Formats: sequence, C-alpha cells, structure tokens
Amino acid sequence: NAGVTQTPKFQVLKTGQSMTLQCAQDMNHEYMSWYRQDPGMGLRLIHYSVGAGITDQGEVPNGYNVSRSTTEDFPLRLLSAAPSQTSVYFCASSYGRANTGELFFGEGSRLTVL
Amino acid sequence: GQNIDQPTEMTATEGAIVQINCTYQTSGFNGLFWYQQHAGEAPTFLSYNVLDGLEEKGRFSSFLSRSKGYSYLLLKELQMKDSASYLCAVRPYTPDSNYQLIWGAGTKLIIKP
Repeated sequence: NAGVTQTPKFQVLKTGQSMTLQCAQDMNHEYMSWYRQDPGMGLRLIHYSVGAGITDQGEVPNGYNVSRSTTEDFPLRLLSAAPSQTSVYFCASSYGRANTGELFFGEGSRLTVL
Repeated sequence: GQNIDQPTEMTATEGAIVQINCTYQTSGFNGLFWYQQHAGEAPTFLSYNVLDGLEEKGRFSSFLSRSKGYSYLLLKELQMKDSASYLCAVRPYTPDSNYQLIWGAGTKLIIKP
C-alpha cells in the first residue's frame, strides 16, 4: 500500500519556467489537497478537490493550477515560476468528500526557483 | 481574523514530560488536530479533539477547552525520537470552510539526553 506518492522530491527551476508536481493516492480518498510549507509559517492550502472533476481554491491559489480527472491523481501546475514559489509542497488526502482532518501526506516536494 | 498560536521551540529531557500549548481564534470551531512532523518529512496525524476534555493515546494526550480557545499536547516518558515539530490545526465551522484547516506554525521540540 503506497499511500500518497509525490514526484519529484526535489526540483530547481528558473524564473518563468513551468512544471507539474505529481500526486497520486491509492486509498480511494475523495478529498485531495495541495499545501505549501514555508519557514515560520503554518501549512497553507493552495487548492483542493472533493472528488473527480471538482476543484476549488484554497488560501494561496495564485500562480498554480490543478485538475482532478481521476480519483487517484491530483497534479499541481506552476504556470510561470517565481522565486516566491520556492517552498516545500505537500499533497494530502482524506477519507470522504469532507476534510475529516486526518490527512495523509505525501513525502513532499522541495522546489527552488532561481 | 483567524489565528493559531503555539510556541516556536521547546526543550525537554529524555524521560520527562512536556506540554505544548496551542491557542486559537477562529470563526467557529469544528475540531482541533495535532500532527507530528520530523525534520525533512511529512506531517503525520496524532490526535483529534472536538469536545472538551482529555483524549489519551499511549504516551500522548491532547486536551481541549473550547470556551478558552485552548489546547495542549502532553508527551510523557519522552524519547529521543520525539524530537520533531508539533503542528496544531483547527477546522473552523462555517458553511464555506468545511474543507479547510487553519494551521499553526508548529512547535519544534528538542529532546536532550
């Protein structure tokens, strides 16, 4: 049972480049989300989804896009990378459509934008 | 505004007891969560409180007082592996925030031999 799998674990981008962070879960969770974690700050929600075909914005959605074509996959796209997007990104999922709180996190993706 | 406060860093001795506090101000309340995060790793779920009182789970206990906007995580018989950050998160109760948690910045706990 793999749980939540994120790739890549590390990535360096130049300003203006685009990329996709992949997230897949094999627990049949309906709720999936993307967070960023910056030093001295709490986790901040970027986008979330309560099921295939449904996505919504979180607290800090600007500069990011998501899609949810299947229950398993929830990729995060950076459209034009900026240094302010240097962060550690976590994908997380949960049982049911509502965020019950017990989130299962991927291992994280450390992104540096130069 | 919505806010969660917890100490930035705490130090404790192996074998001792430590209490990590969390205070919150949110628009409504629908549960408080504690997560553990080791350096360079993902957060993992520790506990959930929605009613006042103490929830015990092995060496870890979590307490909630909704009227005071206050929670604490109590760790007993500290072990070196308990060195980690402890994240407090609150789920506000409003119709349009049912899916979103508000996270504290975390408390880094350092265990010394």
